[in-house]
Amino acid sequence: GESVGLHLPTLSVQEGDNSIINCAYSNSASDYFIWYKQESGKGPQFIIDIRSNMDKRQGQRVTVLLNKTVKHLSLQIAATQPGDSAVYFCAELPGAGSYQLTFGKGTKLSVIP
Amino acid sequence: NAGVTQTPKFQVLKTGQSMTLQCAQDMNHEYMSWYRQDPGMGLRLIHYSVGAGITDQGEVPNGYNVSRSTTEDFPLRLLSAAPSQTSVYFCASRTLRGTNEKLFFGSGTQLSVL
Repeated sequence: GESVGLHLPTLSVQEGDNSIINCAYSNSASDYFIWYKQESGKGPQFIIDIRSNMDKRQGQRVTVLLNKTVKHLSLQIAATQPGDSAVYFCAELPGAGSYQLTFGKGTKLSVIP
Repeated sequence: NAGVTQTPKFQVLKTGQSMTLQCAQDMNHEYMSWYRQDPGMGLRLIHYSVGAGITDQGEVPNGYNVSRSTTEDFPLRLLSAAPSQTSVYFCASRTLRGTNEKLFFGSGTQLSVL
């Protein structure tokens, strides 16, 4: 999940296993959510997004689940690979007409070969 | 199509020095923004712009100035650098047309203020 304080939460998974990264968002009016991947020394890269009228969206090896009742978002990565090692951020867009994404603090995923 | 380009990649300043971080995008995006990233703090918005000639403050604007004279460029100026401005800076842009809210990021500038 998202961090409090100076240290990022870390998720360590074995290569080939599935990873689940969680995110709690704050604004019940948010209608768009996005996951980014940030490798060391690089800028955040888009992974997948989802609108609030959906519960689930799938991409290539990734799935995002949205639970609006408890304001929870998760990113599932299937068959995790060493190249998936990175920090993952969720972000929310609070409502129609807004263009300012609010970012979570991130979760570090470490893949054990 | 280069996307969002930031220069320089690394910079070391002394307290009180000034400098400009450059950002350019070639996607004809109306919206451009600057974020700083500090350990455990996530990405925090400094300034943003929704078009040429229009800028506004984000969450942490103090100590930074911006201008938007063209659609492509959005430089960030530090007028008198302070150690508290040591951080990694990211420029990001997106279109405001249609329903694509995806934000595209540059590769970042690592700034150290001594």
